[in-house]
Amino acid sequence: LAKTTQPISMDSYEGQEVNITCSHNNIATNDYITWYQQFPSQGPRFIIQGYKTKVTNEVASLFIPADRKSSTLSLPRVSLSDTAVYYCLVGDTYAGGYQKVTFGTGTKLQVIP
Amino acid sequence: DADVTQTPRNRITKTGKRIMLECSQTKGHDRMYWYRQDPGLGLRLIYYSFDVKDINKGEISDGYSVSRQAQAKFSLSLESAIPNQTALYFCATSDRQGDNQPQHFGDGTRLSIL
Repeated sequence: LAKTTQPISMDSYEGQEVNITCSHNNIATNDYITWYQQFPSQGPRFIIQGYKTKVTNEVASLFIPADRKSSTLSLPRVSLSDTAVYYCLVGDTYAGGYQKVTFGTGTKLQVIP
Repeated sequence: DADVTQTPRNRITKTGKRIMLECSQTKGHDRMYWYRQDPGLGLRLIYYSFDVKDINKGEISDGYSVSRQAQAKFSLSLESAIPNQTALYFCATSDRQGDNQPQHFGDGTRLSIL
């Protein structure tokens, strides 16, 4: 299983762009990179997923370099409601489900007014 | 995610008791999962099921059992609860159709064993 490393915590002011980087040096060819967000007393919620280059949706962007050994989740113009824990997951979920994907301890993002 | 409902939301019980946590989903997904979350340890997979007849152990299945009563229902049982099973438990689902479908989580059951 690909192990991921991400910062334990980050602080940011409202309105700033936040970039959270995840390292996954032993990512396998079939592995995808997925990010989840978790608020207190709630289950994790899917944010974005990608395989290579850049992926963007209405919530965030995901940047993946050519070697795929790391990825960066970018949250534009954060607000107080973005305060949460962000998890980076790496694994082969194609047709196989999530039994081979592990959640790390995540990055706790604190947005400051 | 209201499409994945866990009951109860909170439970306090005593060591040695049998406990069942229930999960139901309206998303029509074939795959269902049970996780536990402990402070500083992230989420760990207990059991998963790819359909009603397919149930598999996850990373930490000892002390737990599951039942997939229907496509929409997946329950987790602690046969004889012990204090170190105190944790936040999450049920999740995923769709087998299409590439890399995301998981959808319930809001969890907070279980305390005294």
